Amino acid sequence: AQSVTQLGSHVSVSEGALVLLRCNYSSSVPPYLFWYVQYPNQGLQLLLKYTSAATLVKGINGFEAEFKKSETSFHLTKPSAHMSDAAEYFCAVTGNTGNQFYFGTGTSLTVIP
Amino acid sequence: DTAVSQTPKYLVTQMGNDKSIKCEQNLGHDTMYWYKQDSKKFLKIMFSYNNKELIINETVPNRFSPKSPDKAHLNLHINSLELGDSAVYFCASSPPGNEQYFGPGTRLTVT
Repeated sequence: AQSVTQLGSHVSVSEGALVLLRCNYSSSVPPYLFWYVQYPNQGLQLLLKYTSAATLVKGINGFEAEFKKSETSFHLTKPSAHMSDAAEYFCAVTGNTGNQFYFGTGTSLTVIP
Repeated sequence: DTAVSQTPKYLVTQMGNDKSIKCEQNLGHDTMYWYKQDSKKFLKIMFSYNNKELIINETVPNRFSPKSPDKAHLNLHINSLELGDSAVYFCASSPPGNEQYFGPGTRLTVT
């Protein structure tokens, strides 16, 4: 069985501050992990993905995430928040042969000027 | 050149009506999905088709019926619409075990 848990449904950071969005997974098979971003009134867009290669994954818009098997975590970070980062962020997991994604409940990021 | 497209983008209708949402992908993926996103942004998978065959059918009312005429299309038909069906519906496609590509969404409002 696979699932993800996103801690914190709402996160607020000041512009220029570190962004940290948390995601923990459970998976009975080696997981593939993803972070998606959803801007207001838009669909979901892939930020980055982990597919068992490098544990530190770099994505678009300056985001990165680190796969930590010992902590079953895949937290998303960005060193310096920008106003345009305000959006909903979803963590997701699937198995390497699976067709079904399991999405977290999402974290709404607010950036304060 | 849109990868995953949905029509219509907005759909406003009255309770009891029947409506359809269409989805098309030009990525050559075998697997397509329908998701429902509620007002709290929670994403719930509804259906998944692999090469025109239903492989995931989560607990949704049988008023919802997916139809896949070919592997590039997955349409969603909803009978006897209810107020609780109001949501944003997303279509997606993917190769096996890889990221999903989402359409822009269809905002359904039932009055």
